[in-house]
Amino acid sequence: AQSVTQLGSHVSVSEGALVLLRCNYSSSVPPYLFWYVQYPNQGLQLLLKYTSAATLVKGINGFEAEFKKSETSFHLTKPSAHMSDAAEYFCAVSEGNQGGKLIFGQGTELSVKP
Amino acid sequence: GAVVSQHPSWVICKSGTSVKIECRSLDFQATTMFWYRQFPKQSLMLMATSNEGSKATYEQGVEKDKFLINHASLTLSTLTVTSAHPEDSSFYICSALADPNQPQHFGDGTRLSIL
Repeated sequence: AQSVTQLGSHVSVSEGALVLLRCNYSSSVPPYLFWYVQYPNQGLQLLLKYTSAATLVKGINGFEAEFKKSETSFHLTKPSAHMSDAAEYFCAVSEGNQGGKLIFGQGTELSVKP
Repeated sequence: GAVVSQHPSWVICKSGTSVKIECRSLDFQATTMFWYRQFPKQSLMLMATSNEGSKATYEQGVEKDKFLINHASLTLSTLTVTSAHPEDSSFYICSALADPNQPQHFGDGTRLSIL
Protein backbone atom coordinates (compact mmCIF):
# COMPACT_ATOMS: atom_id res chain seq x y z
CA ALA A 1 0.00 0.00 0.00
CA GLN A 2 1.12 3.51 -0.70
CA SER A 3 1.72 6.02 2.07
CA VAL A 4 3.11 9.48 2.59
CA THR A 5 4.91 10.86 5.63
CA GLN A 6 5.56 14.53 6.15
CA LEU A 7 8.18 15.17 8.78
CA GLY A 8 7.24 18.12 10.93
CA SER A 9 3.67 19.25 11.40
CA HIS A 10 4.82 22.82 11.79
CA VAL A 11 7.77 24.66 10.25
CA SER A 12 8.64 28.25 11.02
CA VAL A 13 11.07 30.34 8.97
CA SER A 14 12.01 33.97 8.73
CA GLU A 15 11.08 35.99 5.69
CA GLY A 16 13.80 35.57 3.08
CA ALA A 17 15.05 32.31 4.54
CA LEU A 18 15.11 28.92 2.85
CA VAL A 19 11.96 26.86 3.04
CA LEU A 20 12.33 23.08 3.29
CA LEU A 21 9.30 20.86 3.78
CA ARG A 22 9.98 17.15 3.95
CA CYS A 23 8.02 14.35 2.34
CA ASN A 24 8.79 10.66 2.18
CA TYR A 25 6.65 8.15 0.36
CA SER A 26 6.16 4.45 0.16
CA SER A 27 5.08 2.87 -3.09
CA SER A 28 5.45 -0.49 -4.77
CA VAL A 29 5.13 1.05 -8.23
CA PRO A 30 6.62 4.20 -9.77
CA PRO A 31 4.68 6.95 -8.04
CA TYR A 32 3.09 10.16 -9.12
CA LEU A 33 3.86 12.73 -6.44
CA PHE A 34 2.27 16.08 -5.74
CA TRP A 35 2.61 19.08 -3.49
CA TYR A 36 -0.51 21.09 -2.71
CA VAL A 37 -0.96 24.30 -0.75
CA GLN A 38 -4.06 25.13 1.27
CA TYR A 39 -4.93 28.57 2.61
CA PRO A 40 -7.44 28.86 5.47
CA ASN A 41 -10.96 27.82 4.54
CA GLN A 42 -9.98 27.09 0.97
CA GLY A 43 -9.46 24.04 -1.19
CA LEU A 44 -6.15 22.76 -2.46
CA GLN A 45 -3.99 24.40 -5.08
CA LEU A 46 -1.46 22.33 -6.98
CA LEU A 47 2.10 23.61 -6.53
CA LEU A 48 3.91 21.01 -8.58
CA LYS A 49 3.89 17.38 -9.58
CA TYR A 50 6.37 14.61 -10.36
CA THR A 51 5.44 12.36 -13.25
CA SER A 52 8.81 10.71 -13.99
CA ALA A 53 9.76 13.19 -16.70
CA ALA A 54 12.40 14.97 -14.62
CA THR A 55 13.59 14.48 -11.06
CA LEU A 56 13.80 18.21 -10.31
CA VAL A 57 10.38 19.73 -10.67
CA LYS A 58 9.67 23.44 -10.70
CA GLY A 59 6.29 24.69 -9.64
CA ILE A 60 4.42 27.90 -9.07
CA ASN A 61 5.39 30.70 -6.68
CA GLY A 62 9.09 29.80 -6.80
CA PHE A 63 8.73 26.35 -5.27
CA GLU A 64 10.53 23.27 -6.49
CA ALA A 65 10.91 19.68 -5.41
CA GLU A 66 13.37 16.93 -6.12
CA PHE A 67 12.41 13.30 -6.51
CA LYS A 68 15.02 11.00 -4.98
CA LYS A 69 14.17 7.38 -5.54
CA SER A 70 17.02 6.08 -3.39
CA GLU A 71 15.72 8.07 -0.45
CA THR A 72 12.02 7.72 -1.36
CA SER A 73 11.75 11.44 -0.83
CA PHE A 74 10.12 14.39 -2.54
CA HIS A 75 11.05 17.40 -0.42
CA LEU A 76 9.68 20.83 -1.25
CA THR A 77 11.97 23.86 -1.24
CA LYS A 78 11.90 27.56 -1.90
CA PRO A 79 15.07 29.66 -1.72
CA SER A 80 13.50 32.70 -0.09
CA ALA A 81 10.32 32.65 1.95
CA HIS A 82 7.69 35.30 1.53
CA MET A 83 5.01 36.24 4.03
CA SER A 84 2.38 35.08 1.56
CA ASP A 85 3.82 31.54 1.68
CA ALA A 86 2.33 30.99 5.13
CA ALA A 87 -0.17 28.18 4.64
CA GLU A 88 -0.69 24.44 5.03
CA TYR A 89 1.23 22.21 2.63
CA PHE A 90 0.31 18.67 1.69
CA CYS A 91 2.36 16.06 -0.07
CA ALA A 92 0.38 13.37 -1.88
CA VAL A 93 0.95 10.22 -3.91
CA SER A 94 -1.36 8.83 -6.51
CA GLU A 95 -2.00 5.25 -7.47
CA GLY A 96 -1.79 4.20 -11.08
CA ASN A 97 -1.98 7.53 -12.83
CA GLN A 98 -1.97 11.26 -12.13
CA GLY A 99 -5.71 11.39 -11.68
CA GLY A 100 -5.91 8.35 -9.44
CA LYS A 101 -6.93 8.19 -5.83
CA LEU A 102 -4.71 10.51 -3.79
CA ILE A 103 -3.13 9.56 -0.51
CA PHE A 104 -2.15 12.61 1.48
CA GLY A 105 0.48 13.21 4.08
CA GLN A 106 -0.45 14.72 7.41
CA GLY A 107 0.32 18.22 6.27
CA THR A 108 2.89 20.81 7.35
CA GLU A 109 1.91 24.24 8.50
CA LEU A 110 4.41 26.84 7.35
CA SER A 111 4.74 30.04 9.33
CA VAL A 112 6.80 32.94 8.04
CA LYS A 113 8.12 35.48 10.52
CA PRO A 114 8.84 39.05 9.47
CA GLY B 1 -7.62 26.68 -16.32
CA ALA B 2 -9.94 24.03 -14.96
CA VAL B 3 -12.33 25.44 -12.37
CA VAL B 4 -14.30 23.49 -9.80
CA SER B 5 -17.02 25.25 -7.87
CA GLN B 6 -18.51 24.12 -4.59
CA HIS B 7 -21.73 25.40 -3.13
CA PRO B 8 -22.43 26.43 -0.48
CA SER B 9 -19.11 27.55 0.93
CA TRP B 10 -20.46 27.64 4.47
CA VAL B 11 -23.57 26.16 6.00
CA ILE B 12 -24.91 26.09 9.53
CA CYS B 13 -27.93 23.98 10.36
CA LYS B 14 -29.71 22.24 13.16
CA SER B 15 -29.07 18.67 14.17
CA GLY B 16 -31.27 16.21 12.31
CA THR B 17 -31.52 18.11 9.07
CA SER B 18 -30.06 16.98 5.75
CA VAL B 19 -27.57 19.10 3.89
CA LYS B 20 -26.72 18.96 0.21
CA ILE B 21 -23.37 20.14 -1.12
CA GLU B 22 -22.83 20.67 -4.83
CA CYS B 23 -19.62 20.23 -6.78
CA ARG B 24 -19.53 21.54 -10.33
CA SER B 25 -16.86 21.49 -12.98
CA LEU B 26 -17.36 24.82 -14.74
CA ASP B 27 -15.29 24.53 -17.87
CA PHE B 28 -14.73 20.82 -18.39
CA GLN B 29 -16.53 17.52 -18.20
CA ALA B 30 -15.60 15.40 -15.22
CA THR B 31 -16.06 11.69 -15.55
CA THR B 32 -14.81 11.25 -12.01
CA MET B 33 -15.26 13.33 -8.90
CA PHE B 34 -13.87 12.72 -5.45
CA TRP B 35 -15.23 13.78 -2.06
CA TYR B 36 -12.92 14.42 0.87
CA ARG B 37 -13.43 15.30 4.49
CA GLN B 38 -11.00 17.35 6.52
CA PHE B 39 -11.05 17.83 10.27
CA PRO B 40 -9.36 20.90 11.79
CA LYS B 41 -5.59 20.79 11.57
CA GLN B 42 -5.72 17.42 9.87
CA SER B 43 -5.18 15.99 6.42
CA LEU B 44 -7.77 15.18 3.79
CA MET B 45 -9.53 11.86 4.05
CA LEU B 46 -11.04 10.43 0.90
CA MET B 47 -14.69 9.57 1.47
CA ALA B 48 -15.77 8.31 -1.93
CA THR B 49 -15.08 8.26 -5.63
CA SER B 50 -17.95 9.20 -7.88
CA ASN B 51 -18.23 8.25 -11.53
CA GLU B 52 -20.88 9.78 -13.76
CA GLY B 53 -23.86 7.53 -14.20
CA SER B 54 -22.82 4.89 -11.72
CA LYS B 55 -22.85 4.30 -7.98
CA ALA B 56 -20.15 5.90 -5.92
CA THR B 57 -17.36 3.83 -4.44
CA TYR B 58 -17.04 4.51 -0.74
CA GLU B 59 -13.90 4.18 1.33
CA GLN B 60 -13.81 1.81 4.24
CA GLY B 61 -15.55 3.20 7.28
CA VAL B 62 -17.65 5.76 5.40
CA GLU B 63 -21.39 5.22 5.83
CA LYS B 64 -23.10 5.05 2.46
CA ASP B 65 -26.53 5.80 3.89
CA LYS B 66 -25.19 8.77 5.80
CA PHE B 67 -23.29 10.38 2.97
CA LEU B 68 -25.31 10.08 -0.22
CA ILE B 69 -23.43 10.85 -3.41
CA ASN B 70 -25.03 11.47 -6.76
CA HIS B 71 -23.13 12.11 -9.99
CA ALA B 72 -25.96 12.59 -12.44
CA SER B 73 -24.11 14.59 -15.07
CA LEU B 74 -20.59 15.17 -16.31
CA THR B 75 -20.43 18.51 -14.56
CA LEU B 76 -22.23 17.96 -11.28
CA SER B 77 -21.83 15.74 -8.26
CA THR B 78 -23.69 16.20 -5.00
CA LEU B 79 -22.98 15.04 -1.48
CA THR B 80 -25.94 14.88 0.88
CA VAL B 81 -25.26 14.52 4.58
CA THR B 82 -28.43 12.92 5.88
CA SER B 83 -29.77 13.55 9.37
CA ALA B 84 -26.67 15.53 10.21
CA HIS B 85 -25.35 15.62 13.77
CA PRO B 86 -22.64 17.72 15.42
CA GLU B 87 -20.02 15.03 14.78
CA ASP B 88 -20.60 15.52 11.04
CA SER B 89 -19.32 19.07 11.33
CA SER B 90 -16.27 19.30 9.14
CA PHE B 91 -14.75 20.80 6.00
CA TYR B 92 -15.85 18.91 2.91
CA ILE B 93 -13.84 19.26 -0.30
CA CYS B 94 -14.54 17.88 -3.73
CA SER B 95 -12.25 17.42 -6.68
CA ALA B 96 -12.94 16.69 -10.32
CA LEU B 97 -11.05 14.84 -12.99
CA ALA B 98 -11.13 15.77 -16.64
CA ASP B 99 -8.47 13.32 -17.73
CA PRO B 100 -7.06 10.38 -15.72
CA ASN B 101 -3.60 11.39 -16.92
CA GLN B 102 -3.92 14.82 -15.35
CA PRO B 103 -4.14 15.87 -11.68
CA GLN B 104 -7.40 16.39 -9.87
CA HIS B 105 -8.83 19.91 -9.66
CA PHE B 106 -10.11 20.89 -6.23
CA GLY B 107 -13.05 22.99 -5.18
CA ASP B 108 -12.78 25.58 -2.42
CA GLY B 109 -14.53 23.41 0.11
CA THR B 110 -17.69 23.64 2.21
CA ARG B 111 -17.57 24.35 5.92
CA LEU B 112 -20.43 22.43 7.55
CA SER B 113 -21.41 23.27 11.12
CA ILE B 114 -24.18 21.31 12.81
CA LEU B 115 -25.65 22.83 15.95
